[in-house]
Amino acid sequence: DAKTTQPNSMESNEEEPVHLPCNHSTISGTDYIHWYRQLPSQGPEYVIHGLTSNVNNRMASLAIAEDRKSSTLILHRATLRDAAVYYCISDGSSNTGKLIFGQGTTLQVKP
Amino acid sequence: DSGVTQTPKHLITATGQRVTLRCSPRSGDLSVYWYQQSLDQGLQFLIQYYNGEERAKGNILERFSAQQFPDLHSELNLSSLELGDSALYFCASSVAGMNSPLHFGNGTRLTVT
Repeated sequence: DAKTTQPNSMESNEEEPVHLPCNHSTISGTDYIHWYRQLPSQGPEYVIHGLTSNVNNRMASLAIAEDRKSSTLILHRATLRDAAVYYCISDGSSNTGKLIFGQGTTLQVKP
Repeated sequence: DSGVTQTPKHLITATGQRVTLRCSPRSGDLSVYWYQQSLDQGLQFLIQYYNGEERAKGNILERFSAQQFPDLHSELNLSSLELGDSALYFCASSVAGMNSPLHFGNGTRLTVT
């Protein structure tokens, strides 16, 4: 399975944008990049995923480097409710859909 | 609310015992996944079922087994429990396999004493 590297923790101020980086240098051409987050005492929650082009949804934006070896999750205006562990996953799971989670980035949002 | 229901929410049992965790997937989802989350191991993929058939296997111990029933609900059976099995167990479901978002339940917290 492909591996990802993320910073252990990041801090942000409320109402400011947050850029969460992820390196996936061994990604193969067909591997999607997935982002999930886990709020305290809850199960992981889907955020966004993409293959090559940048992606936007109501929660966040995903910027994928041209060589696909890295990506950035962008939260446009952080709120206190965005404090969570953010997981970047590059699955390499062929046709199963299973996701292999790493350690993730713990995001703290300061008021 | 993800639409995935897990029962029970909490379970306390003794070493050597057997327990069954239950998961009802979102309506229409055919794939069910089981994950274990402990403090020292993070989120570990255990096993996946698709429409009743085992699809993928991860770090699942031989003492653990799972199945998916015709109505698509799934059960995870844990036997000969050890202290180290204490963890949060999450179930997730998705419409199909590859690249469909996974929707997670809120987990079952298992404490083995």
